[in-house]
Amino acid sequence: DGGITQSPKYLFRKEGQNVTLSCEQNLNHDAMYWYRQDPGQGLRLIYYSQIVNDFQKGDIAEGYSVSREKKESFPLTVTSAQKNPTAFYLCASSPQGRGAMNTEAFFGQGTRLTVV
Amino acid sequence: GDSVTQMEGPVTLSEEAFLTINCTYTATGYPSLFWYVQYPGEGLQLLLKATKADDKGSNKGFEATYRKETTSFHLEKGSVQVSDSAVYFCALREAARQLTFGSGTQLTVLP
Repeated sequence: DGGITQSPKYLFRKEGQNVTLSCEQNLNHDAMYWYRQDPGQGLRLIYYSQIVNDFQKGDIAEGYSVSREKKESFPLTVTSAQKNPTAFYLCASSPQGRGAMNTEAFFGQGTRLTVV
Repeated sequence: GDSVTQMEGPVTLSEEAFLTINCTYTATGYPSLFWYVQYPGEGLQLLLKATKADDKGSNKGFEATYRKETTSFHLEKGSVQVSDSAVYFCALREAARQLTFGSGTQLTVLP
């Protein structure tokens, strides 16, 4: 079955550590996204990538980094510079280009990151 | 830029009540419109969508009509169930750019 897999589902980080959240898709989508969701709040875009080896900052990129070395993978690193990283992180993907104008994004099941 | 404004929550209804969650949007062109649902601890799932004016999206008893004249895409269901308790997000996508989401509306249905 095609879909997006995020791992791990739960992640605990000590203060000052970097952690990497995994996101893999087998939908053959060009575009991938990372969102942050805080309790009772909406989604905020961290980074997005429309093609391999290219990505752009979203609204809250500070303290995060990404890479896009393969079409299927878009890992997110939460660095020690992120002052308040405890949140629910969602990865998504979508087709891109002219034929993709009416298509939705597909989401993974999320990773809950807690700083201890 | 594009934006989506959703009805503030939380919304609490009794089972079998009628549901409306309001959504209005601002866009420069002709976006596609979506409703997503998020159950506790999970990712977002597409509930329904509409890609042009006057289209009606429907799924699982939920409906929404793309109204260009009022720039709205309100979500409705005639008779809600306890299992419909979730957070609902309205979103738009214009010209294959990334989705723009509303802030979400928490729905709780009581038995």
